[in-house]
Amino acid sequence: RKEVEQDPGPFNVPEGATVAFNCTYSNSASQSFFWYRQDCRKEPKLLMSVYSSGNEDGRFTAQLNRASQYISLLIRDSKLSDSATYLCVVNLSNYQLIWGAGTKLIIKP
Amino acid sequence: EPEVTQTPSHQVTQMGQEVILRCVPISNHLYFYWYRQILGQKVEFLVSFYNNEISEKSEIFDDQFSVERPDGSNFTLKIRSTKLEDSAMYFCASSWGLDQVDTQYFGPGTRLTVL
Repeated sequence: RKEVEQDPGPFNVPEGATVAFNCTYSNSASQSFFWYRQDCRKEPKLLMSVYSSGNEDGRFTAQLNRASQYISLLIRDSKLSDSATYLCVVNLSNYQLIWGAGTKLIIKP
Repeated sequence: EPEVTQTPSHQVTQMGQEVILRCVPISNHLYFYWYRQILGQKVEFLVSFYNNEISEKSEIFDDQFSVERPDGSNFTLKIRSTKLEDSAMYFCASSWGLDQVDTQYFGPGTRLTVL
């Protein structure tokens, strides 16, 4: 079983729609969780950390379900600029980030 | 805004040659990392570095790889004898600490092509 698993997509979504991604992780000892965004041939950039209580940053909402070992990301009122690959990342130890393969999102006008 | 920088942006080398990839982490950061991403695949952890020594390394980081902080600003990744399968994007990252709030900031990457 993959350590961090994501639906690769692509998700083709009209501008203004709401889209949600899920991610599952295998190691119950995972300590912290993140969503990164990666544009084509660019470096990953932190979108948001994911806290147990759930957290929101503008149009973005992240949720963590430790019992089921999954993380979600919701994007409301999607913009063309949201088109990217969204990477689910789990901090297994203090030093090491474990990455999902990413979910590709394409926002269409 | 401070940023991580990496040089060169693209390195082409012959199989068997040594390469050194360079990174300048954010100046007050204490933890440094190398990751790689083979084209079309996921980001993979290579190594983390703190207090002038390796903190953790992955299975990928074998004897062909080494890291060094030769001075107060640079952080380098050396591949001693490159193989075709080393072709990838190599990202350097740095963070101030280890807590969740201590974001790892990534450099723009070095694309390594081994011929």
